[in-house]
Amino acid sequence: DAGVTQSPTHLIKTRGQQVTLRCSPKSGHDTVSWYQQALGQGPQFIFQYYEEEERQRGNFPDRFSGHQFPNYSSELNVNALLLGDSALYLCASSLGTGPEAFFGQGTRLTVV
Amino acid sequence: QQQVKQSPQSLIVQKGGISIINCAYENTAFDYFPWYQQFPGKGPALLIAIRPDVSEKKEGRFTISFNKSAKQFSLHIMDSQPGDSATYFCAASGSARQLTFGSGTQLTVLP
Repeated sequence: DAGVTQSPTHLIKTRGQQVTLRCSPKSGHDTVSWYQQALGQGPQFIFQYYEEEERQRGNFPDRFSGHQFPNYSSELNVNALLLGDSALYLCASSLGTGPEAFFGQGTRLTVV
Repeated sequence: QQQVKQSPQSLIVQKGGISIINCAYENTAFDYFPWYQQFPGKGPALLIAIRPDVSEKKEGRFTISFNKSAKQFSLHIMDSQPGDSATYFCAASGSARQLTFGSGTQLTVLP
């Protein structure tokens, strides 16, 4: 049973560029949430997708957008990258409104 | 009101000792309190979780104690092992199911 998988594992981008991160949820899960984890800090909630719609959103600017596909996989897009966007981006999957959330290994984004 | 405060920031314990990490929350709408373990370069792994209708939950060497009136909960790791050395995060969520995390505790278990 595959867990949550994210790609790529590492990424280096230049300030001002755009980036797309991908996530496949755990088998049987239909809800995907994205988190940003800065070095030495706890993860911060970005947004959550369910039934291909954004259900919840944290305190992140509109430069952060997402999408969920019919197979429940998801993408996180960040436009106009800033140096401060450098972080570990985590995807978590869950089932419906159930509370248990399982995380992928993350994508380490470095903006130079 | 969404904040979850975690302490200590770092903890050093001898092998076989008890590790205790504490968290406090403000939002009384939270109804699910998980603990996650994170190793360097990895995503957080769900360790154990509790609902506010119970005061304690034990799974192996890991125990959560929950005090609803004080709005506090803690993780106890019994017989701590060097392999337990990691960063531990408490978290909380309500009906919206977005997790609010504490700031993390870096645990080092000395052999």
